[in-house]
Amino acid sequence: DTGVSQDPRHKITKRGQNVTFRCDPISEHNRLYWYRQTLGQGPEFLTYFQNEAQLEKSRLLSDRFSAERPKGSFSTLEIQRTEQGDSAMYLCASSAYRGHGELFFGEGSRLTVL
Amino acid sequence: AQTVTQSQPEMSVQEAETVTLSCTYDTSESDYYLFWYKQPPSRQMILVIRQEAYKQQNATENRFSVNFQKAAKSFSLKISDSQLGDAAMYFCAYKSGTSYGKLTFGQGTILTVHP
Repeated sequence: DTGVSQDPRHKITKRGQNVTFRCDPISEHNRLYWYRQTLGQGPEFLTYFQNEAQLEKSRLLSDRFSAERPKGSFSTLEIQRTEQGDSAMYLCASSAYRGHGELFFGEGSRLTVL
Repeated sequence: AQTVTQSQPEMSVQEAETVTLSCTYDTSESDYYLFWYKQPPSRQMILVIRQEAYKQQNATENRFSVNFQKAAKSFSLKISDSQLGDAAMYFCAYKSGTSYGKLTFGQGTILTVHP
């Protein structure tokens, strides 16, 4: 399978704990995105990488959130000191440098903060 | 900032019938792209259809077609000959022509297909 993969698919944690999500994009895609989707809503943009460089971050990405993409391959999204409001689906997507902006999404990582 | 609005939280259709999902957007840009994405339950979001704003001709992909009204800033999706597998959440999305790929999504429409 050469699609976007995310791990873990589900994470239940207690408030105050740290969590980390991983995304493996399609191998030839140099652009990678993180979105957050709450129940019944459309995805909201969090951050964007071109290769290893994080080029844009949304205001939604508070100081407790950090994302990395070392070596321009996989990416991690870490949430420190989780809060109940962080409960959501975290979607990763990738795209090629050229093209019309079609994003290829992973199945998402669902976070539940108790 | 661009906004995308889907005013139909839920829609339903009988198998083999036709259904239209509505989407309006607000932008001051002239160069942009519009998309419809499908998100089946517990599955990843996939692209259904794409429309470039500079193209007057409405995009078509098999049973899926759009009605793009640029002046009205309207972008509806028509699904013909609906199938059970079309049941999903559908999102309308906007991308600036100058953007790398950042999308602004609408709230989504849940489509139910009745056999």
